[in-house]
Amino acid sequence: NAGVMQNPRHLVRRRGQEARLRCSPMKGHSHVYWYRQLPEEGLKFMVYLQKENIIDESGMPKERFSAEFPKEGPSILRIQQVVRGDSAAYFCASSPPKAGSQETQYFGPGTRLLVL
Amino acid sequence: KNQVEQSPQSLIILEGKNCTLQCNYTVSPFSNLRWYKQDTGRGPVSLTIMTFSENTKSNGRYTATLDADTKQSSLHITASQLSDSASYICVVIPNTGGFKTIFGAGTRLFVKA
Repeated sequence: NAGVMQNPRHLVRRRGQEARLRCSPMKGHSHVYWYRQLPEEGLKFMVYLQKENIIDESGMPKERFSAEFPKEGPSILRIQQVVRGDSAAYFCASSPPKAGSQETQYFGPGTRLLVL
Repeated sequence: KNQVEQSPQSLIILEGKNCTLQCNYTVSPFSNLRWYKQDTGRGPVSLTIMTFSENTKSNGRYTATLDADTKQSSLHITASQLSDSASYICVVIPNTGGFKTIFGAGTRLFVKA
């Protein structure tokens, strides 16, 4: 059973470009969470999704950032018109269908975004 | 002020020694408190999950404690190994009905031979 997969592992973008980060949850998991980790800081919650639904996006900036988790395919975190401050590691985690706050989240290896 | 504060920021110990990492939180109420291990360049891995009513939880050489009265948790590592070198992150999930998790900045542990 493969773990949570994220790609790309590293992404370089110039200011103003778009960044698309993908996350494939563990097999059988239907809950996905996205987190951002700035250098030398702790992870910050961004968004929680279930299949085709955004459950909690309270941690995601209102502009330029969007997330989706379609019925088929990976979850996508999209950052439009990137700025240097978007440079960070973006982690995805997944948990099983009966997830509540008690469930363990399994993290992917992260995507490191560098904005030049 | 962070709602989850960890100390020390970093720690160096010799292989085979024990150590204790601290976590103070102000999040209240909360549904559970977790400790994660994060190796450099990797995603966090869950070590322990405790509800607010639990006092202690063990996972091999890792033992987490929770004092809900003082709002403190600790992670004790016994007989440290070189592979324990990592960041250890305290995470609190508020009992607000949502899923927003609050992460501490972590304690960076270095185990030396």
